[in-house]
Amino acid sequence: AQSVTQLGSHVSVSEGALVLLRCNYSSSVPPYLFWYVQYPNQGLQLLLKYTSAATLVKGINGFEAEFKKSETSFHLTKPSAHMSDAAEYFCAVSARSGYSTLTFGKGTMLLVSP
Amino acid sequence: DAMVIQNPRYQVTQFGKPVTLSCSQTLNHNVMYWYQQKSSQAPKLLFHYYDKDFNNEADTPDNFQSRRPNTSFCFLDIRSPGLGDAAMYLCATSRDRSGSGLDTQYFGPGTRLTVL
Repeated sequence: AQSVTQLGSHVSVSEGALVLLRCNYSSSVPPYLFWYVQYPNQGLQLLLKYTSAATLVKGINGFEAEFKKSETSFHLTKPSAHMSDAAEYFCAVSARSGYSTLTFGKGTMLLVSP
Repeated sequence: DAMVIQNPRYQVTQFGKPVTLSCSQTLNHNVMYWYQQKSSQAPKLLFHYYDKDFNNEADTPDNFQSRRPNTSFCFLDIRSPGLGDAAMYLCATSRDRSGSGLDTQYFGPGTRLTVL
């Protein structure tokens, strides 16, 4: 069974600073990996997805994530934070083959200060 | 625009009074999911439909049921809501099941359920 661990339930950055949200996965084979964003009282929106085509995945709103097999990581980054990035971010994993459900991490709340 | 719609956005019910939450999609996706998300927690999968095939998660309480009368609609029925069932309920769809490569899930805005 696969799982993900998100380090830090809250991350605070200043506007314009680098955003780094950490996600590590546990799986016997490299899985599919996802980052979703959730704004208050809204559903989840897909930011980006890793399927194996490229280890550096670019998503919406200037976010990107790099798949590192040796570190079993899929950290989310953005060079310059904007106030509108304040939201909760979920890393998720699913198996690459066969049937499996999407498993979410516990989420990281990103706080952006002026 | 193709989308996942949930109605109502906010639902208030009384302890023990049955309630139904609705989800519809215009994406023509095969799979529809229901998640429960409590405050500051990750979404927890309750069950999903692959076409008409119902798949219940092992730890989903019997109090929760679902119906999918056609491709576009899926309902979540809570037979006797308890205070612990107050949560955001998220509906999601995907073209295919996880692991197929066509499994990106698209979420609706959610229904926030309050139990008095």
